[in-house]
Amino acid sequence: SYVLTQPPSVSVAPGKTARITCGGNNIGSKSVHWYQQRPGQAPLLIIYDDNDRPSGIPERFSGSYSGNTATLTINRVEAGDEADYYCQVWDSTSDLVEFGGGTKLTVL
Amino acid sequence: QLQLQESGPGLVKPSETLSLTCTVSGGSISSRSYYWGWIRQPPGKGLEWIGSMYYGGSTYYNPSLKSRVTISVDTSKNQLSLKLRSVTAADTGVYYCARDIRDGYNSNFDYWGQGTLVTVSS
Repeated sequence: SYVLTQPPSVSVAPGKTARITCGGNNIGSKSVHWYQQRPGQAPLLIIYDDNDRPSGIPERFSGSYSGNTATLTINRVEAGDEADYYCQVWDSTSDLVEFGGGTKLTVL
Repeated sequence: QLQLQESGPGLVKPSETLSLTCTVSGGSISSRSYYWGWIRQPPGKGLEWIGSMYYGGSTYYNPSLKSRVTISVDTSKNQLSLKLRSVTAADTGVYYCARDIRDGYNSNFDYWGQGTLVTVSS
């Protein structure tokens, strides 16, 4: 199976920039999607196809990748951004959907 | 607005079969553009994809669960179903249904149900 590695936690002060990474072998060859999950809620798609935002998702959220790492960037972090964030890809060689282990974003 | 709602027993005994239904409203489960999937989340842990199905019958399952899982679609009721056999405590968690945008090269989930907690215990 294809493994996606995320840091367990990231902390950032309000108004600053948060970067959450997602590592995977040759991840640049895959489309990466990102989900936000607030406590007690279902996941919400916030970035799809590496760097596209669904309707209603603020421009503060963006995606990128370099080498074997995809990155979710959240600019001007707000208290309401405190949540778990998951990256996800589809491994076409095995027809398998893979999620990263998740990163808990704490707003200080 | 598309809405998905999971339903089913909240408590299942070990070795029995977990059965859940997802009712889709505000759109058709027979849409040619979408698959429909199940994802679960053990308490305090991350997301695990269970499988996805196209209304025409094509299904994809997580190999780790494939021997125990059946996903089906009832187009007359606009419902997606999940059956997970021979459950153990490790199958305890919140189960979500979601719309799967799948085009042969990619897959992501743009609409989710609120989730339903299933506990496996005697």
